Amino acid sequence: DTGVSQDPRHKITKRGQNVTFRCDPISEHNRLYWYRQTLGQGPEFLTYFQNEAQLEKSRLLSDRFSAERPKGSFSTLEIQRTEQGDSAMYLCASSQGTQSVISYEQYFGPGTRLTVT
Amino acid sequence: KNQVEQSPQSLIILEGKNCTLQCNYTVSPFSNLRWYKQDTGRGPVSLTIMTFSENTKSNGRYTATLDADTKQSSLHITASQLSDSASYICVVSPRPENFGNEKLTFGTGTRLTIIP
Repeated sequence: DTGVSQDPRHKITKRGQNVTFRCDPISEHNRLYWYRQTLGQGPEFLTYFQNEAQLEKSRLLSDRFSAERPKGSFSTLEIQRTEQGDSAMYLCASSQGTQSVISYEQYFGPGTRLTVT
Repeated sequence: KNQVEQSPQSLIILEGKNCTLQCNYTVSPFSNLRWYKQDTGRGPVSLTIMTFSENTKSNGRYTATLDADTKQSSLHITASQLSDSASYICVVSPRPENFGNEKLTFGTGTRLTIIP
């Protein structure tokens, strides 16, 4: 399967614990995005990488959240001291962006469903 | 106020029937509009992408239309199948900066249920 993969698919944790999610984008894609989606809502942008550089972070991304893409390939999203409000689906997407392409297709992974009890 | 509004919020139709989903947006300047299908518990899958110069695009039984003047789009599903049951999300992208974040704005989706 050459699509975007995410691990784990489901995570249940107790409030106050730290969690880390992994995203493996499509191999030739230089852009990587993290989104959060709560029930009945569309995804909301969290952060964006161009290769290994984190170029933008949403205000939704509090100090408890950190994302990395150390070698410009896979990415991790860590949430420290989880709260019940962090319960959501965390989606990763990747795309190949160049200066000459106007429309960039973002390919989404299956998501990681986080439940904080 | 969300810059991408979708209607109806939910829709139930009989298998084999057609349906049309609506999307109104205020994102400006506009680059492209996408329709995604999202099955429960899965990530969104792209159905169509239209730039501001396109006014219709088809993907099998899915046909999307775009009126960039009125900032409206529709997704028409023909001869619905049980597997079409999903959320359909309208996504709008502003004109991108070079190497910039696409800043996609997602609608809240229309939940479509096909019944036999």
